Amino acid sequence: AQKITQTQPGMFVQEKEAVTLDCTYDTSDQSYGLFWYKQPSSGEMIFLIYQGSYDEQNATEGRYSLNFQKARKSANLVISASQLGDSAMYFCAMREGLNDMRFGAGTRLTVKP
Amino acid sequence: NAGVTQTPKFQVLKTGQSMTLQCAQDMNHEYMSWYRQDPGMGLRLIHYSVGAGITDQGEVPNGYNVSRSTTEDFPLRLLSAAPSQTSVYFCASSYNFGRTYEQYFGPGTRLTVT
Repeated sequence: AQKITQTQPGMFVQEKEAVTLDCTYDTSDQSYGLFWYKQPSSGEMIFLIYQGSYDEQNATEGRYSLNFQKARKSANLVISASQLGDSAMYFCAMREGLNDMRFGAGTRLTVKP
Repeated sequence: NAGVTQTPKFQVLKTGQSMTLQCAQDMNHEYMSWYRQDPGMGLRLIHYSVGAGITDQGEVPNGYNVSRSTTEDFPLRLLSAAPSQTSVYFCASSYNFGRTYEQYFGPGTRLTVT
């Protein structure tokens, strides 16, 4: 069963604008972690942000924030003030309890000048 | 710190050949894993290890073997390569295997099987 769903295969955003990348997840565990990774065209996987299931505040890291809605099982990534260097694939991932990490299919973000 | 290193960066194999993808980390991480990335499918877990001497299967283990004799190294062996194993392979590690630990990824190995 698909644990992580990213419904947007591709997204476009104008430079300096904000963009939201969607992620929904499926779990019956109470204890889990949600992660976002960026994969630029060079291919490496770069960790961006983490949200724990027990965290009451939404996580933020610089221009990245995670809009965590636990009841809806969604963990959307918000990138503010988009830059050309933000063009990349973005993956949402979840780690349940002591288990391994599962990834969504990814969203390709293109920032237009 | 070199982080997570993988060799080779690129590899072309003929169907039926075997090979080992190397992975090493210098962060003293307990948890290591191997993923494959295919277009449109994200990353899928092949095998993982929660410490030296302990390995387990992930989502797509068929055709691959692993072993973990040291904390640092986690090689992935392709026993008899098939065109369906053409993919980009990532090795990753994390300090531990709990829900709060992000994984650090190697640069990937692009494998083509003809």
